[in-house]
Amino acid sequence: DTGVSQDPRHKITKRGQNVTFRCDPISEHNRLYWYRQTLGQGPEFLTYFQNEAQLEKSRLLSDRFSAERPKGSFSTLEIQRTEQGDSAMYLCASSLGTTDGKQYFGPGTRLTVT
Amino acid sequence: AQSVTQLDSHVSVSEGTPVLLRCNYSSSYSPSLFWYVQHPNKGLQLLLKYTSAATLVKGINGFEAEFKKSETSFHLTKPSAHMSDAAEYFCVVHTGGFKTIFGAGTRLFVKA
Repeated sequence: DTGVSQDPRHKITKRGQNVTFRCDPISEHNRLYWYRQTLGQGPEFLTYFQNEAQLEKSRLLSDRFSAERPKGSFSTLEIQRTEQGDSAMYLCASSLGTTDGKQYFGPGTRLTVT
Repeated sequence: AQSVTQLDSHVSVSEGTPVLLRCNYSSSYSPSLFWYVQHPNKGLQLLLKYTSAATLVKGINGFEAEFKKSETSFHLTKPSAHMSDAAEYFCVVHTGGFKTIFGAGTRLFVKA
């Protein structure tokens, strides 16, 4: 079990630029989640994959956000035309296909939009 | 609708004294409840989970939580705080499938 990894750990970008983050889940986990966490708040759900299918998207996920999970393994989260309000920690988590909700989190990618 | 309320944004204790972090939840279903801890620059780590097997749940690092359905509470406790317990703690409700809701967090400070 190598854990959930995320890359990059930090990203600084200028407003209007596009950014892409990667998440590698625990290998046998078929469920993958993206969350956003702003300072002083708990993580907020963004989107969820079961294998390669994106089954749910939060209303927080505007049209500038897109996520993929090709082949049901790693996932990418892209933000187009970044805005200062996108500055946050983006967390990825994975889990087995059980109903108890136990998720394993990666260290996160901290995005700063200047 | 499901929700989680952590009643204290900050808790400060002295090393060696008990810790109490309070959490109330609202759920239309029988929820799974969790406590996670987040140390600076580290990922969220699961402390413990409740899934209806027993109302008193033991977790890692000496933490416990008691599920009280009548009070819709799931408070986290530890008999004796250690300096290494200083971190952010999140109460979480999971209602099946993907839906996971985090509380706003409680920052625990431990004084020497």
